[in-house]
Amino acid sequence: ETGVTQTPRHLVMGMTNKKSLKCEQHLGHNAMYWYKQSAKKPLELMFVYNFKEQTENNSVPSRFSPECPNSSHLFLHLHTLQPEDSALYLCASRPPGGVYGYTFGSGTRLTVV
Amino acid sequence: QQQVKQSPQSLIVQKGGISIINCAYENTAFDYFPWYQQFPGKGPALLIAIRPDVSEKKEGRFTISFNKSAKQFSLHIMDSQPGDSATYFCAASKVIAARQLTFGSGTQLTVLP
Repeated sequence: ETGVTQTPRHLVMGMTNKKSLKCEQHLGHNAMYWYKQSAKKPLELMFVYNFKEQTENNSVPSRFSPECPNSSHLFLHLHTLQPEDSALYLCASRPPGGVYGYTFGSGTRLTVV
Repeated sequence: QQQVKQSPQSLIVQKGGISIINCAYENTAFDYFPWYQQFPGKGPALLIAIRPDVSEKKEGRFTISFNKSAKQFSLHIMDSQPGDSATYFCAASKVIAARQLTFGSGTQLTVLP
């Protein structure tokens, strides 16, 4: 375990479903990130939260809705997804003040059918 | 200015050989250069990192070489083993006050037995 825990590990959902991904860290980190990793593509940064405030949204479609209720928890709410949204969704976090200790979770493998 | 270019996209090496992955960056303000290793079904994990005050850093079979004037850095894996087969990402950032790492596109390494 890296200290960043993602649940569920695997998720299969229909295009009309609503589901949520969860990320939790107790490393004392204050910034949290969602990345999308598709097969044979680079890591795509989706959202950045710093001290619970969203500081970056990289033109992500509105069918992805992040939520950060506190510095330890991050959610990604999913609704009306498309098959091309199937990917590995990674959560990461970092400590205050810099990028030392930038840590990833193991990801949620999402399949949209 | 924020890009990190990584090559090759894929690499096949015989067991016992040397694996070399290269990265180039543009932003001269970057002063932290980590490499991440990702096994299938897992999130990327920090492997080794270097600051620009040294030209080389070695940890076991893994070595980072850094060329500040060329704005390039590379990962060398000596005596490559099948267990090293993974995807490797370089990254770059400022250490202080950076919001996130800038990642390269990844290199899929296969070490043949």
